[in-house]
Amino acid sequence: DAGVIQSPRHEVTEMGQEVTLRCKPISGHNSLFWYRQTMMRGLELLIYFNNNVPIDDSGMPEDRFSAKMPNASFSTLKIQPSEPRDSAVYFCASTPGQGQPQYFGPGTRLTVL
Amino acid sequence: QKEVEQNSGPLSVPEGAIASLNCTYSDRVSQSFFWYRQYSGKSPELIMSIYSNGDKEDGRFTAQLNKASQYVSLLIRDSQPSDSATYLCAVNLYSGNTGKLIFGQGTTLQVKP
Repeated sequence: DAGVIQSPRHEVTEMGQEVTLRCKPISGHNSLFWYRQTMMRGLELLIYFNNNVPIDDSGMPEDRFSAKMPNASFSTLKIQPSEPRDSAVYFCASTPGQGQPQYFGPGTRLTVL
Repeated sequence: QKEVEQNSGPLSVPEGAIASLNCTYSDRVSQSFFWYRQYSGKSPELIMSIYSNGDKEDGRFTAQLNKASQYVSLLIRDSQPSDSATYLCAVNLYSGNTGKLIFGQGTTLQVKP
């Protein structure tokens, strides 16, 4: 079975550019999570969806960040405009539901110059 | 007090020894507990799930849960250099049917040949 799929795996962009990260959760999973990981701050939850509906976006650092889940098999995380401090690894994870583990995608390593 | 706490380490053990990783959590109603392993540059990988008090064994790994004392631990027997990684403890807080997990900061394990 395919796991969580993320694209691109690496993204290098210049400050001020728009960045879009993509995620395809495991089929049948009804919750999707976006995380950011840095050495300084560890793994941070940005936003999560349940049945395609955003439940909690309190972890989104600024209005420059937005996320959508138009259907059960696709989600995007957009940063506009990007800044060097956004450089991090962004993970997407999905879970079948309450009480179950989350399964992580391979991540997108974002570098903003 | 953080919701999920781990000693960041590094925890250094010789090859063949038992590595003991500990995690405490603050929410008494937590029901599901998970251990993830994360190699440098990779995504977190689920290695153990535990839902009830006591021990759960899977190969060289044993998870131990004590809900009264609010801690969960991971024992790795016959530690190998390939076990060197960061181990993340994750706890499911009851928050409806969303599958949200709270992660600890992780413990870095170094197994020396």
